[in-house]
Amino acid sequence: SQKIEQNSEALNIQEGKTATLTCNYTNYSPAYLQWYRQDPGRGPVFLLLIRENEKEKRKERLKVTFDTTLKQSLFHITASQPADSATYLCALDIDSGGGADGLTFGKGTHLIIQP
Amino acid sequence: DTAVSQTPKYLVTQMGNDKSIKCEQNLGHDTMYWYKQDSKKFLKIMFSYNNKELIINETVPNRFSPKSPDKAHLNLHINSLELGDSAVYFCASSHLRDPVRETQYFGPGTRLLVL
Repeated sequence: SQKIEQNSEALNIQEGKTATLTCNYTNYSPAYLQWYRQDPGRGPVFLLLIRENEKEKRKERLKVTFDTTLKQSLFHITASQPADSATYLCALDIDSGGGADGLTFGKGTHLIIQP
Repeated sequence: DTAVSQTPKYLVTQMGNDKSIKCEQNLGHDTMYWYKQDSKKFLKIMFSYNNKELIINETVPNRFSPKSPDKAHLNLHINSLELGDSAVYFCASSHLRDPVRETQYFGPGTRLLVL
């Protein structure tokens, strides 16, 4: 069965530094990979999607890379701010052939940006 | 404007009871989902509905039954509640024809506690 691992349950970064989160997967070849942000007591919020034929995607201070050979995605937040503190979830599609499939999520990395 | 809404936000009930959670989306999406997030914050797909048809049903006990009266609603009914059903339940929606296929929009969650 497919397995998704995110590098650590918690990550402490000093404000202003770049935070890098890792998502590794096995036994699967996804067409795309997504990153979500979840704040305490709230539902996940979509951040970025990167397709298998894309190496990198950016959105403001966010950057995602996707290496299908390594089966790994890296999620970067540059110039990190305390407001970036949240849990970040990596998610893959479950492609069973064109249907309305759900997402398989990693357990998330709790990012703490310290002032 | 609320995109995906759920009621109730909190639900405390006794073991053995039957309860329902309601979900509504005003995004015009054609697919809706239910996810369960357990105490370890692991988010797992339970069901998805596309055009009133159940597409996937993960290994969820048949005590859980999704019901979709129309495209904008997907309710979750749970019979004979058990202690292990305590979790946060998230409703989500997506649009298969969206260029960012299967980007999911989550509701705020329903925190279920079974005593």
